[in-house]
Amino acid sequence: QQQVKQSPQSLIVQKGGISIINCAYENTAFDYFPWYQQFPGKGPALLIAIRPDVSEKKEGRFTISFNKSAKQFSLHIMDSQPGDSATYFCAASRQAGTALIFGKGTTLSVSS
Amino acid sequence: DGGITQSPKYLFRKEGQNVTLSCEQNLNHDAMYWYRQDPGQGLRLIYYSQIVNDFQKGDIAEGYSVSREKKESFPLTVTSAQKNPTAFYLCATRDRSTDTQYFGPGTRLTVL
Repeated sequence: QQQVKQSPQSLIVQKGGISIINCAYENTAFDYFPWYQQFPGKGPALLIAIRPDVSEKKEGRFTISFNKSAKQFSLHIMDSQPGDSATYFCAASRQAGTALIFGKGTTLSVSS
Repeated sequence: DGGITQSPKYLFRKEGQNVTLSCEQNLNHDAMYWYRQDPGQGLRLIYYSQIVNDFQKGDIAEGYSVSREKKESFPLTVTSAQKNPTAFYLCATRDRSTDTQYFGPGTRLTVL
């Protein structure tokens, strides 16, 4: 049972465009939703995270949109740059939970 | 990275051998985790530890073992019982105050 479903699996965006990655979750007990960025051969690094008491959080060019009723959340990367080319993972966990449950990842390529 | 070290970076093992992957942290975090990453599969939880001398199985614990004798250290042993051990292994810690998980740089294990 896949508790966090991520789409698309891969994404190609022109430089300066908007990259959008979507995730859906099943467990309504989840209350922490982070996004991680991973470059080849490296460990994932936290990009941005949101809790369900807000519908949107923005940090620089990165925005999380959260829809509690639909059990969906998404990452928007504005003005995408070649340096944003990486694999992105959404995840979810319960408060004081044991571990993050990850989506399967999205490989983003930003073409110049 | 930053505060979490994993060694070695690359590890080669012959079939039938046990190997131990090291994870050390200086972040003073109680909780530590081991994940396995395979292409297209996201990150899957192997074991986690919420406190010294205590650990719990994750989703794919078969063929693995851990110990948590010190707060700073959470080594993972890949035993000969693990049928398909070739993968990228990631260690993580969690800051309880923010739920943020921090990842180490990973160890790539290849079975020859």
